[in-house]
Amino acid sequence: GAVVSQHPSWVICKSGTSVKIECRSLDFQATTMFWYRQFPKQSLMLMATSNEGSKATYEQGVEKDKFLINHASLTLSTLTVTSAHPEDSSFYICSARTGGPGYTFGSGTRLTVV
Amino acid sequence: KQEVTQIPAALSVPEGENLVLNCSFTDSAIYNLQWFRQDPGKGLTSLLLIQSSQREQTSGRLNASLDKSSGRSTLYIAASQPGDSATYLCAVRQSGGYQKVTFGTGTKLQVIP
Repeated sequence: GAVVSQHPSWVICKSGTSVKIECRSLDFQATTMFWYRQFPKQSLMLMATSNEGSKATYEQGVEKDKFLINHASLTLSTLTVTSAHPEDSSFYICSARTGGPGYTFGSGTRLTVV
Repeated sequence: KQEVTQIPAALSVPEGENLVLNCSFTDSAIYNLQWFRQDPGKGLTSLLLIQSSQREQTSGRLNASLDKSSGRSTLYIAASQPGDSATYLCAVRQSGGYQKVTFGTGTKLQVIP
């Protein structure tokens, strides 16, 4: 079935640095990718929707200059957390439409900013 | 704006019990609804997907129903096992546009041996 590979699975970074998270669709073309964030003991919240070759659409309250999304190809979307701070520590997960009724999720990235 | 609520937020049952998890959504213009489980610190595992035209889906001990007009879905788990302990999330996919997916608030299930 359709698989989305997400890397890294976990990362620890220092405050002020930037972190890039990658999601690759392995056996299908992902024209649309969704990025979610999950804070401890909370549900997943949609951050943005990215479409290949165009600018991402961000949800209200999500800083587009802080969370840079690039979807330059049909198989790769990246989320870069710029100038990360401890409050950005969270679980980030991507999801792609598979072309059918379903969508598949990456395995998630746990970001800890110290 | 779609809002998805799950009740109860937490549930603790003895092993072997049948249980029902509830999911309600405010906008009935959905493409489908999906149930997931999430183990602590892990990603999502898809359990069942119900298209908007369907009423229910079954997989093993799991049965999910959908009443789109009333904005409700239930996940029925038969003969619960300790391995069922996890957080269960429902997710609603909108029809039209980017078909945005909105997740519910989750139900944390603990099955006691």
